[in-house]
Amino acid sequence: QQQVKQSPQSLIVQKGGISIINCAYENTAFDYFPWYQQFPGKGPALLIAIRPDVSEKKEGRFTISFNKSAKQFSLHIMDSQPGDSATYFCAASSYGQNFVFGPGTRLSVLP
Amino acid sequence: DSGVTQTPKHLITATGQRVTLRCSPRSGDLSVYWYQQSLDQGLQFLIQYYNGEERAKGNILERFSAQQFPDLHSELNLSSLELGDSALYFCASSVGAGGHTGELFFGEGSRLTVL
Repeated sequence: QQQVKQSPQSLIVQKGGISIINCAYENTAFDYFPWYQQFPGKGPALLIAIRPDVSEKKEGRFTISFNKSAKQFSLHIMDSQPGDSATYFCAASSYGQNFVFGPGTRLSVLP
Repeated sequence: DSGVTQTPKHLITATGQRVTLRCSPRSGDLSVYWYQQSLDQGLQFLIQYYNGEERAKGNILERFSAQQFPDLHSELNLSSLELGDSALYFCASSVGAGGHTGELFFGEGSRLTVL
């Protein structure tokens, strides 16, 4: 019940296309859902996060869509750029509890 | 730059040996977390310290141990090393004790290679 499932494992998108990464969880106590971006040789860094009181959050080209009833959330990257090529991790947590990370999605954006 | 400093960046050692990885958290952060990332694997949570005390324990092997010192820096000790321990070890820090009480800030990792 503590798991966060993430798909796809890898994703190849053409420059200018839309990248979509999906995550699902079981624990209804989770109430904070961040996405982390990791470039090769670097540590993960917070990209965008959402709480379940909203269904969507947008920051520039990055959007999180959240479906509380389905216990699913997704990251959409609009107008994907080669510089977006990285590994993306979704995560979930509840108050005072540690983050549970998904297994990651390796995104490659072709020029 | 996340403000989290990890040393060493790279470490090559032999099976059976012991190594120590060091982490200095961001100024003001009280929590330190250790994660293991093996090739093509996700982030496996090992252990968390908050203000010097162990707060949470994940999938940490008995051969591994950690501590957080009064100045809040932390060390992860790996002993009786095996080939399978080769991985990237990340330290992260946050202001609060866990979860969404604070964003996680990750260091750049220590790459351990066991030959």
